[in-house]
Amino acid sequence: QSALTQPPSASGSPGQSVTISCTGTSSDVGGYNYVSWYQQHPGKAPKLMIYEVNKRPSGVPDRFSGSKSGNTASLTVSGLQAEDEADYYCSSYAGSNNLDVLFGGGTKLTVL
Amino acid sequence: EVHLVESGGGLVQPGGSLRLSCVASGFTLTNYWMHWVRQAPGKGLVWVSRVNSVGSSTNYADSVKGRFTISRDNAKNTLYLQMNSLRAEDTAVYYCTRGIYTYHMDVWGQGTSVTVSS
Repeated sequence: QSALTQPPSASGSPGQSVTISCTGTSSDVGGYNYVSWYQQHPGKAPKLMIYEVNKRPSGVPDRFSGSKSGNTASLTVSGLQAEDEADYYCSSYAGSNNLDVLFGGGTKLTVL
Repeated sequence: EVHLVESGGGLVQPGGSLRLSCVASGFTLTNYWMHWVRQAPGKGLVWVSRVNSVGSSTNYADSVKGRFTISRDNAKNTLYLQMNSLRAEDTAVYYCTRGIYTYHMDVWGQGTSVTVSS
């Protein structure tokens, strides 16, 4: 089973908005609303930012939002801040392939 | 405060075994599905295994199926990953994670490093 497809990099200036895509298939992203997004700073454990496509856990700023259309999910970071610079990973339930969870390859977000 | 603390990583020869442990605090393990996720050096996250809240249902990535066994001791608030027949490609940081709404992971441990090398 191949990983979900994410762009390797994305960037934006402080205050701007950036959107990161995550493309799968009808067997994972397109088939279920179990899409999550994780933020990982260097040397740190990942942190859940979005779950069930567009829900934010308590404590996650509302600058982070999620959406899905067909087989592609997206994470939008609005009002970019320096501390948003990190790696971002999407994931999806992939039960049709006998997998619980499939991750994307990750996107390095750079704040210019 | 909610915490997960992994232990048991280290250097092992190809073909060897390790058992990882993950102790939960600040919440009752019984109420949650739990996952192991790994990250090879400089690479992305890869889901490894999952156990349901009572330990009666498990699932594994194809790459570890038949070699790794996930288990839990709710009385000890501890999750385990028994890793046998280790290969060089199993080298990674292994994270213990708490599942919410089953397939999302809202609490992560700090990770424990496993290196498989002769």
